[in-house]
Amino acid sequence: AQKVTQAQTEISVVEKEDVTLDCVYETRDTTYYLFWYKQPPSGELVFLIRRNSFDEQNEISGRYSWNFQKSTSSFNFTITASQVVDSAVYFCALSGVNAGNMLTFGGGTRLMVKP
Amino acid sequence: DAGVIQSPRHEVTEMGQEVTLRCKPISGHNSLFWYRQTMMRGLELLIYFNNNVPIDDSGMPEDRFSAKMPNASFSTLKIQPSEPRDSAVYFCASAQGRTEAFFGQGTRLTVV
Repeated sequence: AQKVTQAQTEISVVEKEDVTLDCVYETRDTTYYLFWYKQPPSGELVFLIRRNSFDEQNEISGRYSWNFQKSTSSFNFTITASQVVDSAVYFCALSGVNAGNMLTFGGGTRLMVKP
Repeated sequence: DAGVIQSPRHEVTEMGQEVTLRCKPISGHNSLFWYRQTMMRGLELLIYFNNNVPIDDSGMPEDRFSAKMPNASFSTLKIQPSEPRDSAVYFCASAQGRTEAFFGQGTRLTVV
């Protein structure tokens, strides 16, 4: 069985603040993939990043960065200098090789960035 | 590529009616997923196809729900008979192997 937990259901910050969204996962697979998706108010699900279990290098893309820590089964997402357009629900997801590549989503974190 | 295409975008139907949701995956993708999103339960995986074959349908709520994938470019999710508690946004997503899944824009279903 695989499980993704996003303990923060809602976060509110003021524009330009940094914010970190937490994601903790459980899986018995040794090979697995982790993802982050963004769901803006318009409702679509937008892919942000994929990491595989063998690559613990942190990744930075503009104001976005991701910290993968296998030792703590975490894959946290940080937005630097947040902007109002970052307001959305963010989902962390897990796909294990032995789970048939099914995507299991966390409950999501609603981020509100206020001007 | 136009991405994953779902139809209709919105559906309002009366309790007891049959509802069919449609999905066209991205060409070349061999995995297809149907998800349901509600405020109470979040994003739930209903069924997963690989190479047009249903691999896991353990998320399908009950016998009123059925899904088919007759070929690599088309899938349907049918609810018969529909009930008010089926009201949700239904997403279809496709992926190539173990790569990221791309989602359609969803079908907002309201059963009155």
